[in-house]
Amino acid sequence: EAQVTQNPRYLITVTGKKLTVTCSQNMNHEYMSWYRQDPGLGLRQIYYSMNVEVTDKGDVPEGYKVSRKEKRNFPLILESPSPNQTSLYFCASSLSFLRHQETQYFGPGTRLLVL
Amino acid sequence: AQKITQTQPGMFVQEKEAVTLDCTYDTSDQSYGLFWYKQPSSGEMIFLIYQGSYDEQNATEGRYSLNFQKARKSANLVISASQLGDSAMYFCAMSLVMNTGFQKLVFGTGTRLLVSP
Repeated sequence: EAQVTQNPRYLITVTGKKLTVTCSQNMNHEYMSWYRQDPGLGLRQIYYSMNVEVTDKGDVPEGYKVSRKEKRNFPLILESPSPNQTSLYFCASSLSFLRHQETQYFGPGTRLLVL
Repeated sequence: AQKITQTQPGMFVQEKEAVTLDCTYDTSDQSYGLFWYKQPSSGEMIFLIYQGSYDEQNATEGRYSLNFQKARKSANLVISASQLGDSAMYFCAMSLVMNTGFQKLVFGTGTRLLVSP
């Protein structure tokens, strides 16, 4: 089944404890992206990647890191999480990134609570 | 500024009735796309429908149709014959190709739809 997977689905952590949220897609998509969803703000892009070893900042990159060592994986790293990073996180992928009609397919989401 | 506006925080509809969810957008680009996604209570984002700025006909996918009025910069989602399973949050999004050459999705704040029996 074609899908985007994320792990973990739910995570409670404490301020300052490094964490990684994994994302994997099995559709051979070039483009992958991370979003965060907050009430009243919709989804905002954190980072995106056009291909292996090619990443760039989105609208809200502060406090996050990403890497793309393999085409299928795009982990999100929070080196020192803070309570304002409590949010619902989505990974998404699309076949290409050059056309506005490319549909982005989303993972199931990761709910993060930082105490 | 490139922006999506969804002015209805919540909508109620009775089962089997039709409902329209509003979406207006702001961009100076001539080429763009408009998407609608559904987010049920389980949290995942489900792609519903797409409309390109140059498409002359309104997009339809089953019970979903997109009422595209380019001059008014609106892209409303119409759900016909609502079902209980349609209760969810609905997001409108605009797709643009940025100066970098890469696609970007800009999301609205969402409309929560509740379908009653």
